[in-house]
Amino acid sequence: DAGITQSPRHKVTETGTPVTLRCHQTENHRYMYWYRQDPGHGLRLIHYSYGVKDTDKGEVSDGYSVSRSKTEDFLLTLESATSSQTSVYFCATGLGNEQFFGPGTRLTVL
Amino acid sequence: TQLLEQSPQFLSIQEGENLTVYCNSSSVFSSLQWYRQEPGEGPVLLVTVVTGGEVKKLKRLTFQFGDARKDSSLHITAAQPGDTGLYLCADSNTNAGKSTFGDGTTLTVKP
Repeated sequence: DAGITQSPRHKVTETGTPVTLRCHQTENHRYMYWYRQDPGHGLRLIHYSYGVKDTDKGEVSDGYSVSRSKTEDFLLTLESATSSQTSVYFCATGLGNEQFFGPGTRLTVL
Repeated sequence: TQLLEQSPQFLSIQEGENLTVYCNSSSVFSSLQWYRQEPGEGPVLLVTVVTGGEVKKLKRLTFQFGDARKDSSLHITAAQPGDTGLYLCADSNTNAGKSTFGDGTTLTVKP
């Protein structure tokens, strides 16, 4: 257990509104990741971070931004939510070859 | 771009049966991880394999890595309802810190 929490766990929002999801870790892992999981698509990487203020895009980064001002916190922002961003979002931290996942945030965009 | 193909996509069996699920890569794995994800939760790491031909056992689960490091299998003996979940394989590129995941096999074990 890597001590990863995500907030909120559930959120319903309307199209066009900004949304921020938070990931917090207590293990001091260098790498952090945001994924989305949709039926038929598995886990797809949105953005990742390899250190404080060091981030890079994943395969589905359009419409999302991230920030990492502290080792323990990694924020994912949907700048203007769309219905296609309805999904389950997972945060993970990385240590060597292995990743440790949070419990997920279920986001519904109406 | 590496592609990981997992099969079967869905598997439903009775308690006590044996099963095998597969993961095939379009390129050589850097290192292979197997994860299990229970409904409503995040994936949990089961095992990492690195060496071609490697076999690892975790209680009733046996993980095998192909000699050419392009395929892997997960065999479960005497499946139990607690084995129900989504089984994901992943390739971790430690140079970039990123992993590529397959779409997974959804296993249902009926009592």
